[in-house]
Amino acid sequence: GAGVSQSPSNKVTEKGKDVELRCDPISGHTALYWYRQSLGQGLEFLIYFQGNSAPDKSGLPSDRFSAERTGGSVSTLTIQRTQQEDSAVYLCASSQAKTGVWAGELFFGEGSRLTVL
Amino acid sequence: SQKIEQNSEALNIQEGKTATLTCNYTNYSPAYLQWYRQDPGRGPVFLLLIRENEKEKRKERLKVTFDTTLKQSLFHITASQPADSATYLCALNTGTASKLTFGTGTRLQVTL
Repeated sequence: GAGVSQSPSNKVTEKGKDVELRCDPISGHTALYWYRQSLGQGLEFLIYFQGNSAPDKSGLPSDRFSAERTGGSVSTLTIQRTQQEDSAVYLCASSQAKTGVWAGELFFGEGSRLTVL
Repeated sequence: SQKIEQNSEALNIQEGKTATLTCNYTNYSPAYLQWYRQDPGRGPVFLLLIRENEKEKRKERLKVTFDTTLKQSLFHITASQPADSATYLCALNTGTASKLTFGTGTRLQVTL
């Protein structure tokens, strides 16, 4: 597609359930990022994938959070045993950055809004 | 500790005036700094990038300065318009060259 695509756009779940959020980056972009944005807050870095390198997971808030990127393209962020504090907008971005080179422009999707009841 | 700080209070400005937004950081030595615009319910959109060896960058009505001694970037919108109303985020590379960390953003409101 023309831009970064995220699904679902909205997800309401019950506390304790697992959720999966999907990101389809711009074709050819080797770098993929996940950020979290709570209401009225800035973007919190979660994880960064670059090509075939090991991902930078330094922002994942707990072991309930995991992400994978299959075939260097689509990524899935999984939150297990969701808690109410996980409620936020989860934003995915991609860029043409190469390993060790500056990020350049990040292209963001519209986000997945997660509400945990 | 490492911080990226932007004015948390909204900036209200009259149409036609110049809006100036501030981004301060501590304990980072970024190679570059970026500014993004975010509208409600949307993802951020890239505006400008400035490198550490650049003092100033311009794009149409936008101007960004980068002072690595003061550890500060200023973002200016000249001849502001109501359509400029949005939240503006600064971002720095932290750690590896490709990792971007964002500030909390400043909401700009331009009134007639």
